[in-house]
Amino acid sequence: GAGVSQTPSNKVTEKGKYVELRCDPISGHTALYWYRQSLGQGPEFLIYFQGTGAADDSGLPNDRFFAVRPEGSVSTLKIQRTERGDSAVYLCASSLRRRGLAGGRSYNEQFFGPGTRLTVL
Amino acid sequence: AQSVSQHNHHVILSEAASLELGCNYSYGGTVNLFWYVQYPGQHLQLLLKYFSGDPLVKGIKGFEAEFIKSKFSFNLRKPSVQWSDTAEYFCAVRGSNTGKLIFGQGTTLQVKP
Repeated sequence: GAGVSQTPSNKVTEKGKYVELRCDPISGHTALYWYRQSLGQGPEFLIYFQGTGAADDSGLPNDRFFAVRPEGSVSTLKIQRTERGDSAVYLCASSLRRRGLAGGRSYNEQFFGPGTRLTVL
Repeated sequence: AQSVSQHNHHVILSEAASLELGCNYSYGGTVNLFWYVQYPGQHLQLLLKYFSGDPLVKGIKGFEAEFIKSKFSFNLRKPSVQWSDTAEYFCAVRGSNTGKLIFGQGTTLQVKP
């Protein structure tokens, strides 16, 4: 089946501009995640959604970053007034929820998309 | 603070050599642990995972990892590497009731034919 898709694959913009990055999760996956990966580093968590709501947005670096998932499927990561330090690969992942220990809720493994490489000049 | 530390940044091995990549984490409470791999030009994919039960877990392509709770470790092993194992390997941890993954900085493995 189709995996996680992200568009565009590459985005070059100028400092101060606004950008939107799109993620299409695997069909039926209720959880969606955004990460950012800088060169030579591991992915860094930004935000994740369970359904339409943000379950944890503690990784968003500042108020220039915002993400939405209005219908519980596709998500858009929005970055205002871009800075050169925002240059990175932005990764999206999706997963199912599962029944965890003692009946609590947990999450299955995350499936990652190919990423969007953002370059801010 | 929640963190993952991968001891080796760059490992070079010859084919058929044995592999062990170290991973230690700092995280309170019950954890789930993962190893992801990124082959050249491809996206991240799951190698193996630990949720509960047997601390020795087996993944794809002959990889395995052992969760040692007392040492906060989840080292990755393979008895005999192949040239096709050349890739970047990431260890990751999360709490058992959250989706937020915390990754290590990655280890680049280069296998010489």
